Amino acid sequence: DAGVTQTPRHEVAEKGQTIILKCEPVSGHNDLFWYRQTKIQGLELLSYFRSKSLMEDGGAFKDRFKAEMLNSSFSTLKIQPTEPKDSAVYLCASSSDRANTEVFFGKGTRLTVV
Amino acid sequence: QQKVQQSPESLIVPEGGMASLNCTSSDRNVDYFWWYRQHSGKSPKMLMSIFSNGEKEEGRFTVHLNKASLHTSLHIRDSQPSDSALYLCAAASNMGYKLTFGTGTSLLVDP
Repeated sequence: DAGVTQTPRHEVAEKGQTIILKCEPVSGHNDLFWYRQTKIQGLELLSYFRSKSLMEDGGAFKDRFKAEMLNSSFSTLKIQPTEPKDSAVYLCASSSDRANTEVFFGKGTRLTVV
Repeated sequence: QQKVQQSPESLIVPEGGMASLNCTSSDRNVDYFWWYRQHSGKSPKMLMSIFSNGEKEEGRFTVHLNKASLHTSLHIRDSQPSDSALYLCAAASNMGYKLTFGTGTSLLVDP
């Protein structure tokens, strides 16, 4: 029973580069979330999809962050162009479409921008 | 601004001691609370959920919820070194779908 799969686990990018992070949700889950985690800000929601439709795009993260979900089993998060302040752990999570259901997280991608 | 506040920011308890963690939401629409645990270098995993007023116990872990004050607390008795982790509180409304997380309490159990 596969959980949420994220690739790559680690990414090092130079400032100004474009990077794409990938996520496969738990099979059958309709909700998919992208979070960014830092020690100072904690977990911040970047994007939320329900049944492949973008429900929320994280406001402040709109300009350089773009999440897509081309099919129900795959999502990408593109950061373009990257900046050093984007260095963080990016977590993908999925759940069924009920408000009181558990959210399952992937192992995350640690991004370092130099 | 942060709608889910957790305290304390960090906590050290001796092995075998009691750890008490707090969480309050400022969103009056919140109906559901979860506690997630995240060990260093790992992803968050759900520890307990609570949706009704009162108390819920699972082994060494007890969660309380007061819906009127939108306050939940997590208590860990007989704390073990393996309990050392970041504890994240999350909340959601019955109209919503997304979890809003607090910044967490970092617990260290001192052997």
